[in-house]
Amino acid sequence: DADVTQTPRNRITKTGKRIMLECSQTKGHDRMYWYRQDPGLGLRLIYYSFDVKDINKGEISDGYSVSRQAQAKFSLSLESAIPNQTALYFCATSERNQPQHFGDGTRLSIL
Amino acid sequence: AQSVTQPDIHITVSEGASLELRCNYSYGATPYLFWYVQSPGQGLQLLLKYFSGDTLVQGIKGFEAEFKRSQSSFNLRKPSVHWSDAAEYFCAVGANDYKLSFGAGTTVTVRA
Repeated sequence: DADVTQTPRNRITKTGKRIMLECSQTKGHDRMYWYRQDPGLGLRLIYYSFDVKDINKGEISDGYSVSRQAQAKFSLSLESAIPNQTALYFCATSERNQPQHFGDGTRLSIL
Repeated sequence: AQSVTQPDIHITVSEGASLELRCNYSYGATPYLFWYVQSPGQGLQLLLKYFSGDTLVQGIKGFEAEFKRSQSSFNLRKPSVHWSDAAEYFCAVGANDYKLSFGAGTTVTVRA
């Protein structure tokens, strides 16, 4: 089983819809992250969390919100999806002073 | 804030030949440095990291990278490429281990 699991793996939806992407981990890491990947831009940090009570904005948080429901779960929401949020989304986890471990990604298309 | 540049968008290399991927960064102090590899449909896998110490870092799959402070570079190398090394490679830089800036990536094609 994967250490960092993202659901769904693929999602197509319409403009204006609310969408939630979920991430769960079995690694026991305190830190969790959400990134989006766009061709030619690499990965950009959306939000990160150091523990259940800690949420921090990343480089591109506008239009997104997150919830850290438990140490092992970190969800990303798009309240009202727009086409330029079409991207590949990655969840990652880490321990302090250790590299980040990534899930396999969620491909999101907004029509 | 830090930034990172991967000058090569795409590199084609013959199987068995050597590979070098360039990474240049902008940051005022010694940064945290990483190389990740992404195969199609998969997430990013860590190849190697540099936090401090020896500037030549060994990673998985036969890769190594060298931190050169004077050149603000962290280039990735492999002496002999295998067909399975075809993938996209990302360099990442951070002032710490949690707020990273990623390069745009270099796609490596391996020809027989």
